[in-house]
Amino acid sequence: DAKTTQPTSMDCAEGRAANLPCNHSTISGNEYVYWYRQIHSQGPQYIIHGLKNNETNEMASLIITEDRKSSTLILPHATLRDTAVYYCIVRVENSGGGADGLTFGKGTHLIIQP
Amino acid sequence: NAGVTQTPKFRVLKTGQSMTLLCAQDMNHEYMYWYRQDPGMGLRLIHYSVGEGTTAKGEVPDGYNVSRLKKQNFLLGLESAAPSQTSVYFCASSSRQAYSGNTIYFGEGSWLTVV
Repeated sequence: DAKTTQPTSMDCAEGRAANLPCNHSTISGNEYVYWYRQIHSQGPQYIIHGLKNNETNEMASLIITEDRKSSTLILPHATLRDTAVYYCIVRVENSGGGADGLTFGKGTHLIIQP
Repeated sequence: NAGVTQTPKFRVLKTGQSMTLLCAQDMNHEYMYWYRQDPGMGLRLIHYSVGEGTTAKGEVPDGYNVSRLKKQNFLLGLESAAPSQTSVYFCASSSRQAYSGNTIYFGEGSWLTVV
């Protein structure tokens, strides 16, 4: 699986958009970009994933550059409850077996300031 | 909808004692996982299972054993607990259906202290 690079920590004001970057310059053509977050003392929570096109769901938007070497997770209107560690993971989407989980790095600690 | 449930949530063990962590999921998922997370670190995969009756080693399997006798349950055992196994343990599950990608659902964690 390709390696990812994320900033260790970021601050964002409450109500503003939080933009979390992730570099994955060695990503392969069949690897997806996944984002999870972990609020203190809880299990990680799936946010969004994508391959090439930008994706949006009720939680966030994912913007993937055209060369796929980097991506940005956008939380459009950050609240205090969005304070968490955010993990960017790249991984082949496999089915029918061989599902050996996802590899979590240290992620970005996003702190939403009131 | 319970999702992924882990028991116990908290446990203190003495060095050398044994114990089993139980994970149960009600989503009919084929894949299940056990991770550990140490302070300030990301999650590391201990063991995983791709179906009933199967298990495989992850990144840090030493000192742990697992069993998947029923599809909905995945047990993590510590045969002889050591202080280095003090950690938070997370169980997770996912579907093998292609449309789900690798979306993994996690339990709330089990805090284990070995003294």
